[in-house]
Amino acid sequence: QQQVKQSPQSLIVQKGGISIINCAYENTAFDYFPWYQQFPGKGPALLIAIRPDVSEKKEGRFTISFNKSAKQFSLHIMDSQPGDSATYFCAASIRGFQKLVFGTGTRLLVSP
Amino acid sequence: GAVVSQHPSWVICKSGTSVKIECRSLDFQATTMFWYRQFPKQSLMLMATSNEGSKATYEQGVEKDKFLINHASLTLSTLTVTSAHPEDSSFYICSASDRPNTGELFFGEGSRLTVL
Repeated sequence: QQQVKQSPQSLIVQKGGISIINCAYENTAFDYFPWYQQFPGKGPALLIAIRPDVSEKKEGRFTISFNKSAKQFSLHIMDSQPGDSATYFCAASIRGFQKLVFGTGTRLLVSP
Repeated sequence: GAVVSQHPSWVICKSGTSVKIECRSLDFQATTMFWYRQFPKQSLMLMATSNEGSKATYEQGVEKDKFLINHASLTLSTLTVTSAHPEDSSFYICSASDRPNTGELFFGEGSRLTVL
């Protein structure tokens, strides 16, 4: 019940295209859903996060869509750029406890 | 966001020796810090929760005698890998938050440990 399932495992998108990564969770107590971006040899960087009281959050080219009834959330990267090539992790937590449960990660490659 | 710093960025040691990794919150105080471990091309796994002034809380399956955690101040937590073996080689990453009630966690740059 603590798992967060993430797909796809890897993704290749052409420059300018839309990258979409999906996650699903089971624990309905989760109330915080962040996305992290990680470059090789670096720690993960917080990209964008959403709480279950909204269905969508947009920051620049990054959008989270959240479906509470389906217990799913996704990351959309609009106008994908080669510099977006990285591994993306979704995660979930119960805010009061801070402990993040991570998805398995998606390796995104944006071709020039 | 809040800045979390780790040192060293990478370390190579001989089997049987101990290695200490530091995690600092640079511009905020953190009563709680988290230590994660990441194997190549895998996700992050929580090892333990570091609590300032008290004992760390370890996740199931993590040997507390092998991975010693000390959180002696509000800006510093240390992870010591004792009697390291090649299977302990991994990427160790700490995290903390300047606003714990929001759920936001910021990660350090990570420390790559290689045990020969």
